[in-house]
Amino acid sequence: QQQVKQSPQSLIVQKGGISIINCAYENTAFDYFPWYQQFPGKGPALLIAIRPDVSEKKEGRFTISFNKSAKQFSLHIMDSQPGDSATYFCAATLMDSSYKLIFGSGTRLLVRP
Amino acid sequence: EAQVTQNPRYLITVTGKKLTVTCSQNMNHEYMSWYRQDPGLGLRQIYYSMNVEVTDKGDVPEGYKVSRKEKRNFPLILESPSPNQTSLYFCASSLGQRGETQYFGPGTRLLVL
Repeated sequence: QQQVKQSPQSLIVQKGGISIINCAYENTAFDYFPWYQQFPGKGPALLIAIRPDVSEKKEGRFTISFNKSAKQFSLHIMDSQPGDSATYFCAATLMDSSYKLIFGSGTRLLVRP
Repeated sequence: EAQVTQNPRYLITVTGKKLTVTCSQNMNHEYMSWYRQDPGLGLRQIYYSMNVEVTDKGDVPEGYKVSRKEKRNFPLILESPSPNQTSLYFCASSLGQRGETQYFGPGTRLLVL
């Protein structure tokens, strides 16, 4: 129940296209869902996050869509650019008093010029 | 500049030789955490700390120790490293308990022979 399942494992998109990465979870005690972006040789960086009382959050070209009933959330990257090529991780945190974060397995995105 | 620093960045050691990876943050964050990143498994939380002298286990704590004697520092200790602890390690600090504004360090690549 503590897992977050992420797909696809890798994704190739043409410049200007839409990149979509999906995550699913089982534990309804998760209450915060961040996405991280990681470039080679760097630590992950927080990209965008959403709480379950909101169905969508948009920041620039990045949008999180959240489906509470299906226990799924996804990251959409509009007008994908070669500079977006990175590994993306979804994550979830518990609504208890801990500081536990559960990460998905990651998606390696390549945006072709 | 807000940052999380880790040292060393690269380390090769032998089975059983105790080692410490240091982590320091300059943002006065209460929350700090250690993760390991392995291919296909994403990031897994090893230990976390919610304040000085307050630490707790994450998902994969076996073989690791931590301490939080000062707010800015959160060292990771491997008392008797084994080859299955060969991994990429990240320290992170966060303003919020849910990982809001979570910053990651640059990573420490550890090889245990």
